Amino acid sequence: AQTVTQSQPEMSVQEAETVTLSCTYDTSESDYYLFWYKQPPSRQMILVIRQEAYKQQNATENRFSVNFQKAAKSFSLKISDSQLGDAAMYFCAYRSKFYFGSGTKLNVKP
Amino acid sequence: DGGITQSPKYLFRKEGQNVTLSCEQNLNHDAMYWYRQDPGQGLRLIYYSQIVNDFQKGDIAEGYSVSREKKESFPLTVTSAQKNPTAFYLCASSINRNYEQYFGPGTRLTVT
Repeated sequence: AQTVTQSQPEMSVQEAETVTLSCTYDTSESDYYLFWYKQPPSRQMILVIRQEAYKQQNATENRFSVNFQKAAKSFSLKISDSQLGDAAMYFCAYRSKFYFGSGTKLNVKP
Repeated sequence: DGGITQSPKYLFRKEGQNVTLSCEQNLNHDAMYWYRQDPGQGLRLIYYSQIVNDFQKGDIAEGYSVSREKKESFPLTVTSAQKNPTAFYLCASSINRNYEQYFGPGTRLTVT
């Protein structure tokens, strides 16, 4: 069975600093996709970043980057230069099935 | 503008009544999905559809039904058989099952 685990229910970061959110997953598949989504208080789910499992290079989108460790089944999200607008719930998601982690609430302190 | 719409934003029903949640997309996506989100939890898949007139059960399909008569529309019916229907419901679509999903704004259903 595939599962996605986010072990940090809540985290805090000072504005302009860097924070890393953890995600691990369990799978027997070799080909899959991983995503990070952001859910602000509006509850609109917004795609942050995507990683294909066959790619060794870590995905990057502006201030957001991932550390993808396929052998360890780990997919962490690094947010650099944190901004107040980054405060939200962050969900890790696994595809080829449709599994989401339980989320990490990120607080950004001014 | 392209996107996904869900209506209404808030919905109230009496126990024992069926209720249908609307989801429409104009992104020309083949795949559409319904998720349920409960407080403090992630998303759980109810149903998904990869093409018109075809759909598959997700992890928590009991008490729910769907139809996919048009590419743009994927309505979800919450039946009286669903034991705990009060939740936040999110609809999503994607080009196909391996691509990122785009989400609607959600419908908060309260059943009393």
